[in-house]
Amino acid sequence: EVVLTQSPATLSLSPGERATLSCRASLSVSGRLAWYQHKPGQAPRLLIYDASRRATDIPDRFSGSGAGTDYTLTISSLEPEDFAVYSCQQRSNWPPTWTFGQGTKVEIK
Amino acid sequence: QVQLAQSGDGVKEPGDSVKLSCKASGYTFTRYDIHWVRQVTGQGLEWMGWMNPNSGETGYGKKFQGRVAMTRSTSISTAFLDLTSLTSGDTAVYYCARGGRGETGALDIWGQGTVVSVSS
Repeated sequence: EVVLTQSPATLSLSPGERATLSCRASLSVSGRLAWYQHKPGQAPRLLIYDASRRATDIPDRFSGSGAGTDYTLTISSLEPEDFAVYSCQQRSNWPPTWTFGQGTKVEIK
Repeated sequence: QVQLAQSGDGVKEPGDSVKLSCKASGYTFTRYDIHWVRQVTGQGLEWMGWMNPNSGETGYGKKFQGRVAMTRSTSISTAFLDLTSLTSGDTAVYYCARGGRGETGALDIWGQGTVVSVSS
C-alpha cells in the first residue's frame, strides 16, 4: 500500500509570500496525484489532479509539479483565503485504492 | 448545478450501525464513481472506499473491510454508506465525493459532510 508523506506539517507565511508544499509517495504513483484544499466546516476542494492539471475554476496561482514519488504544490502568492489545510491524494491501480496524505496546514505568520 | 447532498443519523452508541445517504443532482449519477471519505477531528482525510453506481461494483479500504457496505439506488440517484460495529474511533465527519477526474480519479465534487458521533 502506498503511503503519502507531506511536509512540512505546518507552514507559517504572510499574504503575498510563496508557499511550497511537498508530498512524497512510498512508491511511484506515476503522476496519479491530486491536491485538495480543506477549510474548517467546509468540504474539501479539488485543486490539482494528474500532478499538474488545475481543476475547474482554480486560480493560476496554484500549480502542481512532480513525477515518480515526489510532488509539489506551489501557491505563487498567498491570498488571505488560501490559508487552509492542503492534502495530497494518490490512486493505485490494483486493487483500486485511494490514499491521502496527512495534510499541511498553511497558517498566517 | 452539480452537487451531492448528504443526510443521515448523527448520534450513535458503541456497537450501533449508521447509514448515510448521498443524493446526486445536476449530472448523470451512473457515469461517475462515488467515494466515501472521513475526517476524524485533528486528523487527515481518510479514504473509506468507492462504488461504481452503474454496476454496483465496490472497493473498500482495508481498515473498513468487513464492516462497511456501499450501495446505491439509481432510481433516486442516491448512494448509501453503511458502517457497522461503531466505536468512538468512528466519530468523524463523513463525506461522499464524486470521483473519476483524470488518471488520478480525483474527487471533484464533494457533499457537505455529515457528522457522526459515537458515544455511550
